[in-house]
Amino acid sequence: SQKIEQNSEALNIQEGKTATLTCNYTNYSPAYLQWYRQDPGRGPVFLLLIRENEKEKRKERLKVTFDTTLKQSLFHITASQPADSATYLCALVENTPLVFGKGTRLSVIA
Amino acid sequence: DGGITQSPKYLFRKEGQNVTLSCEQNLNHDAMYWYRQDPGQGLRLIYYSQIVNDFQKGDIAEGYSVSREKKESFPLTVTSAQKNPTAFYLCATTGTKNIQYFGAGTRLSVL
Repeated sequence: SQKIEQNSEALNIQEGKTATLTCNYTNYSPAYLQWYRQDPGRGPVFLLLIRENEKEKRKERLKVTFDTTLKQSLFHITASQPADSATYLCALVENTPLVFGKGTRLSVIA
Repeated sequence: DGGITQSPKYLFRKEGQNVTLSCEQNLNHDAMYWYRQDPGQGLRLIYYSQIVNDFQKGDIAEGYSVSREKKESFPLTVTSAQKNPTAFYLCATTGTKNIQYFGAGTRLSVL
């Protein structure tokens, strides 16, 4: 069966460290993968997109990798800040509609 | 101010009552979506529409209905057949590269 899993439901890290979030999928062949941020009581907001033929994408303190052999994407936030605390969702783009993971709740502790 | 407007922000439903959640967009996007989110859970797709006058069921369509008479509008009705409607409802549109743009959500509770 098809599955998309974000391995950690919650992740706590110290301010200034790098946060690494994982997204694994099974029985999909996505054309690309997206990452969103969701704050409590708000709708998700798009952060980054990476295509199947790209290994890595960066945007300011954010970095996404995509390994189609491992069927995995890693999302990194470097020099994390308390303001980065939120839930982060990955989404696969294979067909319409998108398929979302359940999200990882990140807490950055000062 | 461009984007997606969901209303109301909070809604209360009495037993046996149908309620309608509004979603309006001025992004000129063709595709629109409704998701349900329960505490600590991911997004579950209720219905989506890729073009006016056409829509498809998502994973949890039972107890819900939609219409798409205009490109800008995609209202969701939570019917009395939905026995557990308490949740956070999100409307979204899809732009280029299938990037989704979300509204601020409607929180529905049962009285």
